Amino acid sequence: NAGVTQTPKFRVLKTGQSMTLLCAQDMNHEYMYWYRQDPGMGLRLIHYSVGEGTTAKGEVPDGYNVSRLKKQNFLLGLESAAPSQTSVYFCASSFGTSNIQYFGAGTRLSVL
Amino acid sequence: AQSVTQLDSQVPVFEEAPVELRCNYSSSVSVYLFWYVQYPNQGLQLLLKYLSGSTLVKGINGFEAEFNKSQTSFHLRKPSVHISDTAEYFCAVSSTAGGGNKLTFGTGTQLKVEL
Repeated sequence: NAGVTQTPKFRVLKTGQSMTLLCAQDMNHEYMYWYRQDPGMGLRLIHYSVGEGTTAKGEVPDGYNVSRLKKQNFLLGLESAAPSQTSVYFCASSFGTSNIQYFGAGTRLSVL
Repeated sequence: AQSVTQLDSQVPVFEEAPVELRCNYSSSVSVYLFWYVQYPNQGLQLLLKYLSGSTLVKGINGFEAEFNKSQTSFHLRKPSVHISDTAEYFCAVSSTAGGGNKLTFGTGTQLKVEL
């Protein structure tokens, strides 16, 4: 049982490049989330999804897009990367109203 | 809206000493409270949670926390820490208002256990 898997683990981009981060969960969870973690700021919610085919904005959605075409996958896209998007990105999932979120190991992204 | 305050960004402590990591929250609705731990270069792991019932919650690795509604606090405690407890600890709050069980995190407390 892998839990929540994030791909890739590390990535370096140049300003203006695009990329997609993949999150996959094998726990049949309804809800999925993308966070970014920056020093001294904790984790901030970017986007989330309450089910297949649905997405919603979180606290810091600008510059990011997401898609949830399959229940087990939640994709985070950066269309034109900026240095301000240098961060560690975490995906999480939860089952309905359990309120307990399970986290992936993170993706460390640097934008030069 | 809800928010979480972790006043201590770093807490140094000697091994086998007790420790308390402070967490205060604000919310206009009923909340659920969590403590997560993050070891270096890893994701977050759930340490303990308060959903309802007893206000004293026990978690993994000998940690416990007490929900105090009047003081809007959820402080984390351990009577005797070990070197392996060195990590960053995050307090988080959620409510189901609006759907999605969204978590709001504090800024984290770095616990450093020294010999």
